Amino acid sequence: EPEVTQTPSHQVTQMGQEVILRCVPISNHLYFYWYRQILGQKVEFLVSFYNNEISEKSEIFDDQFSVERPDGSNFTLKIRSTKLEDSAMYFCASSDLGTGAYTGELFFGEGSRLTVL
Amino acid sequence: SQKIEQNSEALNIQEGKTATLTCNYTNYSPAYLQWYRQDPGRGPVFLLLIRENEKEKRKERLKVTFDTTLKQSLFHITASQPADSATYLCALLLDDKIIFGKGTRLHILP
Repeated sequence: EPEVTQTPSHQVTQMGQEVILRCVPISNHLYFYWYRQILGQKVEFLVSFYNNEISEKSEIFDDQFSVERPDGSNFTLKIRSTKLEDSAMYFCASSDLGTGAYTGELFFGEGSRLTVL
Repeated sequence: SQKIEQNSEALNIQEGKTATLTCNYTNYSPAYLQWYRQDPGRGPVFLLLIRENEKEKRKERLKVTFDTTLKQSLFHITASQPADSATYLCALLLDDKIIFGKGTRLHILP
């Protein structure tokens, strides 16, 4: 069964360092998302991406965050200068139809746990 | 702003009984509402979607209802099993993005 894959599964970094989290969405999906989940808290929307551009972003997704689809398969989240409060599980998700298509089922990866020291 | 409230942080149910989880939302009714399951340390897994014009949806032992007057969805697991123990997340469409509630941790006791 097709799945969303994420790397790394766990990354430890020093505050102020840049981090890139990678995702390979399901191959025929066109809509891509990043969510994060701080330990014990809810899954929070960060950004959605379609047709090589951001379609929605949340207040959390400030200038230190960026997303890119560098080739036909990868979808990356970059955090330029990590802060302690960026420590969380970051989930990539993809869907074949957009959320407005009355389906909107999201397929999630297993997450990348980011620990900022 | 739109908020999602799930009824309790943890729910203990005896094996074989029906588990009922509640999701309430504020403000306007979404075009659809979804339920996901999340196991510890893993990504959410989609279970069911119910649209605003649907009252009830079923899938095997799962049943979801959607009451736009009460601004509430109920999620039922019948004949519950220990393997159903997980966190269940309610999610809805808001401005072209899907937002999640905090979830209800369900424990099915053998």
